[in-house]
Amino acid sequence: AQSVSQHNHHVILSEAASLELGCNYSYGGTVNLFWYVQYPGQHLQLLLKYFSGDPLVKGIKGFEAEFIKSKFSFNLRKPSVQWSDTAEYFCAVTVSNFGNEKLTFGTGTRLTIIP
Amino acid sequence: DAMVIQNPRYQVTQFGKPVTLSCSQTLNHNVMYWYQQKSSQAPKLLFHYYDKDFNNEADTPDNFQSRRPNTSFCFLDIRSPGLGDAAMYLCATSDPGTGETQYFGPGTRLLVL
Repeated sequence: AQSVSQHNHHVILSEAASLELGCNYSYGGTVNLFWYVQYPGQHLQLLLKYFSGDPLVKGIKGFEAEFIKSKFSFNLRKPSVQWSDTAEYFCAVTVSNFGNEKLTFGTGTRLTIIP
Repeated sequence: DAMVIQNPRYQVTQFGKPVTLSCSQTLNHNVMYWYQQKSSQAPKLLFHYYDKDFNNEADTPDNFQSRRPNTSFCFLDIRSPGLGDAAMYLCATSDPGTGETQYFGPGTRLLVL
């Protein structure tokens, strides 16, 4: 079974700092990779996803992530964070299985941006 | 706007008193999921429906049941809630045509007294 690791449990940054959140998965086959964000009091929203093609994917709000297959990683980046980026970030993976996709989440990283 | 709706947003029940949480969708997606999310933890899949086919996770307690009477609606029944069942319950939908992306509702926060 697949699993996802997010090593940063809580990250605190100042506004305008650069961000990188780590995500590693374990599965030997083809995977689909996602980053979801959960703003305080709000529902999970999709930030970006990777299925195939260009390993550098761009999402909403200036976020991007790079799939490095050899490292089983899908780190999330943003060059300059804003206070409004304060949220919980979840990396997730599905194993491609048409019509029966199980989304396995990492434990999440809480991001706090200090104005 | 097409969306996933969960009612109620907050539910208080008593220890051992059955409770039902509801989810509806206007996305017309084939697949619906129920997740449990406890504080500061990742969402944990309880079960999902592919159309009418029910798929239970191996570690989902028998105390949790689900019903999907039609494409739009899905219910989570907790037969005898315990204190450990207090959590946020998330409903999500997906469709093979959308590339396996899951769309989440706002969740129902369950409190067990």
